[in-house]
Formats: sequence, structure tokens, C-alpha cells
Amino acid sequence: KQEVTQIPAALSVPEGENLVLNCSFTDSAIYNLQWFRQDPGKGLTSLLLIQSSQREQTSGRLNASLDKSSGRSTLYIAASQPGDSATYLCAVYNAGNMLTFGGGTRLMVKP
Amino acid sequence: ETGVTQTPRHLVMGMTNKKSLKCEQHLGHNAMYWYKQSAKKPLELMFVYSLEERVENNSVPSRFSPECPNSSHLFLHLHTLQPEDSALYLCASSPGGGVGTGELFFGEGSRLTVL
Repeated sequence: KQEVTQIPAALSVPEGENLVLNCSFTDSAIYNLQWFRQDPGKGLTSLLLIQSSQREQTSGRLNASLDKSSGRSTLYIAASQPGDSATYLCAVYNAGNMLTFGGGTRLMVKP
Repeated sequence: ETGVTQTPRHLVMGMTNKKSLKCEQHLGHNAMYWYKQSAKKPLELMFVYSLEERVENNSVPSRFSPECPNSSHLFLHLHTLQPEDSALYLCASSPGGGVGTGELFFGEGSRLTVL
């Protein structure tokens, strides 16, 4: 059974810092990995999707990498802003139509 | 606006009530999903439909009954729920071409409270 872990569970940084969020998974036979953002009480917004054949994806200040063999992905946020404050979730898709989510990292960027 | 619309956004019901959650996607996707998000727990997959056929039922109690009349609409019928069923219920859709190969788009969720 796939297990997805996100570290740290919570993170507080001053505005302007570059930061890295970590995601690890136990079963490397994945189709893809997706990073989401969730604001309190809201749904999930897709940030980046990395297919299993890819190593990284970039969108603006966000860069996500994938190392399938070691079961790891990182989300890099450059020059963080208060508007980046949210919970960040990673999810991996395995065979059997299973999308497994991590517990999320709650990010607070202070002005 | 993700193209996935859920109604109602908030619902309060008693344990003997029957209610339904509705999800509609305007993205032309072929797969739709129900997820449950409880406090301090990771999102849990409940149901997956691909081209209106249920392809996954993740050991969900029978008091939750999904319905997918067409590829744009998904319902979750609720009856005889328990207080521990209180949670945020999220609907998502993804393109066709095989479940698991496309990006998921989520709705805003329906916040359910069972009294």
C-alpha cells in the first residue's frame, strides 16, 4: 500500500526566503505526482503535475522535482510572499486508479 | 475557477436525513472522483468514475451512495450518516486517456456537518 509523507508538517518563514517542501512515497511504481495548494476551507488548486518519465516541472516561482527511484519529490518556492501562505499537498498516482495524498505542509509566510 | 462546481457549499443534516451533494465539471473530462477530507487526516479517495462507470469503491460505507448519470455530473447521496462523517467532501475530475495519467482538478468542496 502506497504511503505518502510530507515533511515538515508546518513551516513559518519570513517573506523573501526561498524554501523547500518535501514529499516522500514508498512505492516507486507511480504514473505521476501532483502538487496542490489548499487555502483554509477551500478546495485544492493544482500547482504542478510531473509525469513519471519527467524529472522536474516549473511554473513561475515554483519548481517541482521528482526522483522516482528514491521515492522523493521536492517543491521549491523562490522568493516567498505572504500570499503563498497555504497548505501544500503532494499526491501520487499508482496503478489501480489510486491517488494517495500526503498529510500536507502548512506554510506561513510572514510579512 | 477550476471548472468543477460543487453544491451545496455547506450542509447541516441530522442523522436520519437524506441529502445529496452535487458536482458538475465543465472541462470535458471523462473521469470524476469523490474525496473526503477530515480534520488532521490526509484526503481519502471514496469513489472513482471513468466514462460513467464506477472503477473504484474504496471500502466506503453503504450510507454513501454515488451516482454518475453522465460524464459531466456526479452525485453523492447521503443517508443515515454519523457525526464522524462530518468533513469536507471534494469532487475532482481528470481528462480521459486512462485514469491516473492526467491532472486532477478539484471543486471548492461541500462542508458537511452531521448533528
